[in-house]
Amino acid sequence: KQEVTQIPAALSVPEGENLVLNCSFTDSAIYNLQWFRQDPGKGLTSLLLIQSSQREQTSGRLNASLDKSSGRSTLYIAASQPGDSATYLCAVNTGNQFYFGTGTSLTVIP
Amino acid sequence: EADIYQTPRYLVIGTGKKITLECSQTMGHDKMYWYQQDPGMELHLIHYSYGVNSTEKGDLSSESTVSRIRTEHFPLTLESARPSHTSQYLCASRTSDGSSYNEQFFGPGTRLTVL
Repeated sequence: KQEVTQIPAALSVPEGENLVLNCSFTDSAIYNLQWFRQDPGKGLTSLLLIQSSQREQTSGRLNASLDKSSGRSTLYIAASQPGDSATYLCAVNTGNQFYFGTGTSLTVIP
Repeated sequence: EADIYQTPRYLVIGTGKKITLECSQTMGHDKMYWYQQDPGMELHLIHYSYGVNSTEKGDLSSESTVSRIRTEHFPLTLESARPSHTSQYLCASRTSDGSSYNEQFFGPGTRLTVL
């Protein structure tokens, strides 16, 4: 069974810093990987989706990379802002199902 | 505007009550999912559907049932709610048109508390 791990579980940074969130998965047979943002008590908002054949995807200040062979993905956030404070989740798609990590709780301090 | 909706957003009920959590999407997606999420924990898939009249159980054992009579509607029912059902329930959908771009979209969630 696919297992997804996110490190660190929590991260606190001052405003303006660049940061990297990590996601690892145990089975490299994936179709794609999706990064989400979740605000407290809310649903998930899709940030980026990387297909298994891609190495990275960019959207604004966000850049996600994928190394399928090593089972790793990173989400890079440039010039962090207080509004970026949320929990960030990664999910891998094995075809029939998505498997989620427990997330990284990010706090950006003004 | 294409979107995915869940009602109610919050629900507090007594043990033994029957409840239905509603989920509707306007994107014409074939695949729909129900997840359960406890605070600080990962999402667990409890049910999914690949289209009308198709329903499957996910990895997490659940006492709930689902139906898919219309493409846009995927309700989840608990026949007799118990305190152990207290959780957040998230509905999601995605396309299955054969393209490689199959992003999953989520509703806002229903936070259920069973007393």
